[in-house]
Amino acid sequence: EVQLVESGGGLVQPGGSLRVSCAASGFTFSNFNMNWVRQAPGKGLEWVSYISSSSRTIYYADSVKGRFTISRDNAKNSLYLQMNSLRAEDTAVYYCARLRYYGSGSYSPAPYLDYWGQGTLVTVSS
Amino acid sequence: SSELTQDPAVSVALGQTVRITCQGDSLRSYYASWYQQKPGQAPILVIYGKNNRPSGIPDRFSGSSSGNTASLTITGAQAEDEAAYYCSSRDSSRDYVVFGGGTKLTVL
Repeated sequence: EVQLVESGGGLVQPGGSLRVSCAASGFTFSNFNMNWVRQAPGKGLEWVSYISSSSRTIYYADSVKGRFTISRDNAKNSLYLQMNSLRAEDTAVYYCARLRYYGSGSYSPAPYLDYWGQGTLVTVSS
Repeated sequence: SSELTQDPAVSVALGQTVRITCQGDSLRSYYASWYQQKPGQAPILVIYGKNNRPSGIPDRFSGSSSGNTASLTITGAQAEDEAAYYCSSRDSSRDYVVFGGGTKLTVL
């Protein structure tokens, strides 16, 4: 059974740092690209960051670029998000999610997130 | 960048059919995926690709696409289908995931 379990959330002051983790099990973690997605209270889903299976390719949303760092340890089946210079607007539930692609016919391969963790809440407040 | 637009709220009578739509230029080239999220829970994938359902998703959920619009159809909506539904696809200019704003489905 595929499982993704986030941890590390909590209360942090503006300007502070926090690292959230995602422990993966039930699949060969090193074969899959992974993402972080967040959801502010009462708001919709926002993609945050992507990391390829080998860590060779990394992307960030403009809203977190230069402040957040995504990484992974395939030996430990773990995904991480280091968050620095945190702001009130970073307050959200952070989900890790496994990425796959589907394409057929005239459509190019499109990403979809087939498994999600339960999320970890990060609150940025003084 | 790419934007996906969804109606904020839709309602359907119990047992009736409802279509939730998602519009965006990227949908001309990339399939949408659809996620169901109930209050206090993580999103779950309900449709991906042309019209594929993950294991465990009821067959009353189906997907379709035409031009710049993707649709999620629930045929015979049940009370347990009341939830927020998000579409997602690829940003047409960068290799990013992008989400629609979500549609809150109420089953009357």
